Amino acid sequence: EVQIVESGGGLVKPGGSLRLSCAASGFTFSDAWMSWVRQTPGKGLEWVGRIKRKIDGGTIDYAAPVKGRFTISRDDSRFTLYLQMSSLQTEDTAIYYCTLDSNYALFAWGQGTLVTVSS
Amino acid sequence: QSALTQPPSVSGSPGQSVTISCTGTSSDVGGYNRVSWYQQPPGTAPKFIIYEVTNRPSGVPDRFSGSKSGNTASLTISGLQAEDEADYYCSSYTSTSTYVFGTGTRVTVL
Repeated sequence: EVQIVESGGGLVKPGGSLRLSCAASGFTFSDAWMSWVRQTPGKGLEWVGRIKRKIDGGTIDYAAPVKGRFTISRDDSRFTLYLQMSSLQTEDTAIYYCTLDSNYALFAWGQGTLVTVSS
Repeated sequence: QSALTQPPSVSGSPGQSVTISCTGTSSDVGGYNRVSWYQQPPGTAPKFIIYEVTNRPSGVPDRFSGSKSGNTASLTISGLQAEDEADYYCSSYTSTSTYVFGTGTRVTVL
């Protein structure tokens, strides 16, 4: 069974940094593309970025609002995905979901971790 | 990349069919057969129900079906059931190798 568990959310001041982690199991993590998606409480979904598997070049793509501030990385030996967020703004307040990205769809989702950016 | 356009809400009685539209551009929905749909009941994480426009993953009831014409994709729920009450989002791969989501549609079962 695919399991995805995010962690690392919390309260951070504007301009601050935070790193989210995503522990994955139930599938071959090194063969997977992985994406981050966020959802502002009570609002819609927004794709954040994706990292491809190493055999596909490990290419990373980002959504325009986070490009240059957020960094996605992976540790295949630990079956873990990361999202390093810096220069955080109040608009980044959201639930952040880690997802398994396959066939250009987000096949499995974690339960999410809440990031609140506030002074 | 602008969000794909969905109606804010649709409703139907049990047993009826409802259709949710998802309108984009030739750079996303119209350019690729890479449209997916997600169901999100209140207070839960999204669950994916359609991929590559028409394909259902195992375990998703066949009353959920997808289609596409030009720049507009659609999700139809046939034989509406109370458990189908949720928010639904479309998503598409784009020409810039990113994904874009729809604005979301609340489905209400009357």
